[in-house]
Amino acid sequence: DAGVTQSPTHLIKTRGQHVTLRCSPISGHKSVSWYQQVLGQGPQFIFQYYEKEERGRGNFPDRFSARQFPNYSSELNVNALLLGDSALYLCASALSIGEGLGYTFGSGTRLTIV
Amino acid sequence: GDSVTQMEGPVTLSEEAFLTINCTYTATGYPSLFWYVQYPGEGLQLLLKATKADDKGSNKGFEATYRKETTSFHLEKGSVQVSDSAVYFCALRTNNAGNMLTFGGGTRLMVKP
Repeated sequence: DAGVTQSPTHLIKTRGQHVTLRCSPISGHKSVSWYQQVLGQGPQFIFQYYEKEERGRGNFPDRFSARQFPNYSSELNVNALLLGDSALYLCASALSIGEGLGYTFGSGTRLTIV
Repeated sequence: GDSVTQMEGPVTLSEEAFLTINCTYTATGYPSLFWYVQYPGEGLQLLLKATKADDKGSNKGFEATYRKETTSFHLEKGSVQVSDSAVYFCALRTNNAGNMLTFGGGTRLMVKP
């Protein structure tokens, strides 16, 4: 069975550009979350979607947006890129949302802003 | 708000040594607790979890006990291997926080042969 799939694996962008990152959850999983991991730090929560609705939002500026599609895949969009947006972006999927359920993470998209 | 504090690394051990990585937390409500591991160039893998006080999570020789009285979830392994070299993240999740995971800063473990 395929795990959580993220694309692309690596990306280089210039300041001011926008970027779209994609995530396909494990088959049957309806919850997708996005995390930003800056080098040397723990992941920080960006968004959570469940059944195509936003269920949580972290402390990130409005330049960050996301959506979930009917097939439960998801996109993370970042506009007006800054150097500080350079990070590993991780997608995590789960069957549902609820106490104690473990998330399965993808390998991430390494975004570098130059 | 919720927070997780881990011991700073790197932790350097010889093969077959005993491992402890300390993790303490602050949370409103009753969190579930997790340990994730990240190998170089990869995403996070769930190592173990505990959902209520006094639960012990275990996997691949690693274990951690949910201690509510000390708000701790320390990771232990009796005999580490070179292949255990990775970054370990302690994390919590509460329903109060929209089911998001709150991570500690990570602890790098280096095991020498």
